[in-house]
Amino acid sequence: AQSVAQPEDQVNVAEGNPLTVKCTYSVSGNPYLFWYVQYPNRGLQFLLKYITGDNLVKGSYGFEAEFNKSQTSFHLKKPSALVSDSALYFCAVRDLSIQTSYDKVIFGPGTSLSVIP
Amino acid sequence: KAGVTQTPRYLIKTRGQQVTLSCSPISGHRSVSWYQQTPGQGLQFLFEYFSETQRNKGNFPGRFSGRQFSNSRSEMNVSTLELGDSALYLCASSAGTGRSEKLFFGSGTQLSVL
Repeated sequence: AQSVAQPEDQVNVAEGNPLTVKCTYSVSGNPYLFWYVQYPNRGLQFLLKYITGDNLVKGSYGFEAEFNKSQTSFHLKKPSALVSDSALYFCAVRDLSIQTSYDKVIFGPGTSLSVIP
Repeated sequence: KAGVTQTPRYLIKTRGQQVTLSCSPISGHRSVSWYQQTPGQGLQFLFEYFSETQRNKGNFPGRFSGRQFSNSRSEMNVSTLELGDSALYLCASSAGTGRSEKLFFGSGTQLSVL
C-alpha cells in the first residue's frame, strides 16, 4: 500500500540558514509527489510537484525539492530560511487505488518548521 | 476566480448529534476530496467525488458519508457524533482529470464535539 513518511515532527532552523524537511514514500508505480504548506488556521497551499524529468524541482517562495528514486525520498529544501516560512509542511503522493482504479492523494503526517530570528 | 469555500468555519456539537459540512469548489472543478485533520493523525483521506460519483473512499466508519451535486458542490455528513470526531475537516478541489494535478484547499471547518 502507498504511504508517505516524514521522520521529523519538528524542524528548527535559524533565519538565513538552509533548511531541509524530509520525506520518504512508498508507492506501487511511478510516484507523483507533492509538497504543501499550511499556515495557522488556513487550508493547505501547493508548493511544488515532481512528475517526471529533472530530479530537482523548483516551486513557490524559493522552495525546491530533490527527488531520489533509489532512496525513495523527496526532501524539501530552501537555501535561506525566512521567519515567514514557519508553518506546517506536508509531503503527499498520488497513487492508484487497487480497489477503485482511481487515484487518491495520501499525505504524510506533517513537519512543523520553526524559523528562529 | 473564487477559491474553495467551506461553510461553516466553526461548529460546536454534542455527542450523538449529526452534522453537515459544505464545500463549494473552484468554478470548473469537478473533483472534490475531503480530509480529516487532527494533531495526532495528520491528514486522513475520507472520500473523493467526481461528477456526482464517489471515486474513492478512505478507512472511516459508515457514519461518515458525502455527496456531490450537479454543480460540483459537495456536502459531508457525520451522524452520531463521537468525541473523537473533533477535527478540522478540509475540502480540496481539482479538475479531476490528471494525475499531475494539484489540489486547491479550502480553509476548513473546525468541528468540536462536546
